[in-house]
This record gives sequence, structure tokens and C-alpha cells, in this order.
Amino acid sequence: DAGITQSPRHKVTETGTPVTLRCHQTENHRYMYWYRQDPGHGLRLIHYSYGVKDTDKGEVSDGYSVSRSKTEDFLLTLESATSSQTSVYFCAISDGTETQYFGPGTRLLVL
Amino acid sequence: DQQVKQNSPSLSVQEGRISILNCDYTNSMFDYFLWYKKYPAEGPTFLISISSIKDKNEDGRFTVFLNKSAKHLSLHIVPSQPGDSAVYFCAFRGAGNMLTFGGGTRLMVKP
Repeated sequence: DAGITQSPRHKVTETGTPVTLRCHQTENHRYMYWYRQDPGHGLRLIHYSYGVKDTDKGEVSDGYSVSRSKTEDFLLTLESATSSQTSVYFCAISDGTETQYFGPGTRLLVL
Repeated sequence: DQQVKQNSPSLSVQEGRISILNCDYTNSMFDYFLWYKKYPAEGPTFLISISSIKDKNEDGRFTVFLNKSAKHLSLHIVPSQPGDSAVYFCAFRGAGNMLTFGGGTRLMVKP
């Protein structure tokens, strides 16, 4: 299994509060991704990174920001959480080949 | 617009029989086509992939077929086992090493 961890694994927060999710990898892969999974939508790309300090928006980036100051860490921040951001969040990594490897996920509930 | 569609949200198959999962796509610029398997409370795991220059790829009980003229991707599992019960996502690689996912099909293999 690819060395990917996500923290926290579960979080409950209130509307309007900022939330930061962390993805950590030990594979030294260049590419890192944040997805959200919702029923009927599969996985949708939020943001991705193609190197340290190099990030770009995905399909559903509104309300989210990311940072990558080190190869191994990719942070996803919900600036002001809303109930529509209740979801399961997955981090993925890739070395540039077609395969992405996923972390175990973070289940977020916004009340 | 949905570039990738998995039209069957669920599929039930008897153990030992063939499972066939399908995806349709609209974007001709995808260069790799992948299948992921997901168990509850876990991240998606890579199963098998195929390049756009091929029409078939096999790995043990799993075979992926690509019909470019029909823009159709399928996954065959033979023989199906109860441990194959999971949600299966097709994913398509486009520009920027990004994947676009289908909505998923829940496969149930009955003993």
C-alpha cells in the first residue's frame, strides 16, 4: 500500500468555522490531489498540486483553499465551513503515471 | 455536463458467474482508463487500467475492454467472488494528469 495518511479521520464542526485537513505521504510523489465523495457524484476533484507551492483548482474548488509547503504534506482548508461541505474527503498521490493512490479518507460533518 | 457515466447504480450477481460493469464517456482526449474498487470506510484502491491505444487488458480474474468508437469501457470479473462486493468506479485520465470519475456501481456478489 502507498504510504498515505489523512488526519483527522473524523471531524464534526459548526457552520462558519475554518477547518483544515491534512494529507501526508511517504512516497515522495510529485502530484497530490484532494477529492470529495458524495452519493451519486463519484469523486470530484477539489484542488491538486504538481509540486511544492504549485497548486491549481479542480472541478469543485469554491470555498476551499490548499497549501503545499513540503513534498510530503498537502493541506486542504475550508475557509468557513458550510453544511454543503459535509462529505468524505480523499487525498491521492501520483508519480505522474496514470495511477493515483488514495488515502483512507476523512469524514467531515458540518452542523 | 457529465463526461463520464456509470448508468447502473447497482448490480447483483451470483458467486461464480460473470460480473460486467460499464462506463460511457464523451471526451475523446482521455489517454488512460482505470477502474477502482472501494470498500466502505476505506479509500478507493486501484484495480486495473488500459491505455487508449489498446482494446483489452487482463489481470487475473479482471479484464478491461475499451471500445473507442462507442466511447465505452467495461470491466469483466470472472468468476465473481463474495469478496468482490464493493463499489466500483471508472476513472479517465485527461490533461494535467487529472482523473474524472464516474458515479460508481455497487456490486453485490451473492454466495
